[in-house]
Amino acid sequence: KQEVTQIPAALSVPEGENLVLNCSFTDSAIYNLQWFRQDPGKGLTSLLLIQSSQREQTSGRLNASLDKSSGRSTLYIAASQPGDSATYLCAVLYNFNKFYFGSGTKLNVKP
Amino acid sequence: DAGVTQSPTHLIKTRGQHVTLRCSPISGHKSVSWYQQVLGQGPQFIFQYYEKEERGRGNFPDRFSARQFPNYSSELNVNALLLGDSALYLCASSLAVRTDTQYFGPGTRLTVL
Repeated sequence: KQEVTQIPAALSVPEGENLVLNCSFTDSAIYNLQWFRQDPGKGLTSLLLIQSSQREQTSGRLNASLDKSSGRSTLYIAASQPGDSATYLCAVLYNFNKFYFGSGTKLNVKP
Repeated sequence: DAGVTQSPTHLIKTRGQHVTLRCSPISGHKSVSWYQQVLGQGPQFIFQYYEKEERGRGNFPDRFSARQFPNYSSELNVNALLLGDSALYLCASSLAVRTDTQYFGPGTRLTVL
């Protein structure tokens, strides 16, 4: 059974800190992995997409890594800002066209 | 360019009724996926359509159905509504079936009374 787990469920940090969000998946036969941001009551905004052949992707202050063999991905946020406060979700696409989301990490960055 | 649009924004129905939700993908995107997001949880995959054909299906009962039209817009239909169907229904579009980033719409908030 494919499962996606995100730890921690919630995180509160002071502004300026660097932080890491974790995503683990049970089946390593993934096609790609995508990180999203969701603001309360809103849809999802894509942050980074990592294909199964890639090890990492970077966009601005965000860096996502992928280790298929260990079934893990991390999202690194540098120099966090209050505007980064949101729920961060990872989603895994498997080769049989099924997408699985984790339950998310709710991030609060305090001014 | 317009992003993914969904209609309606909010909807209130009673148990046993039927509902139709609509999604228009980003221009040029041929793949549309539907998700159900219950409060406090991550989205759950319902369907993916590409070029008007179903390409993926999640673990949802047959009360849920969908279709994609020649202009790549899509409808999600839910019959015999249950209280547990209350959720945010999200639509996502992408250029291709697998390789591309998914872009999400704002969702339709369905409340079943």
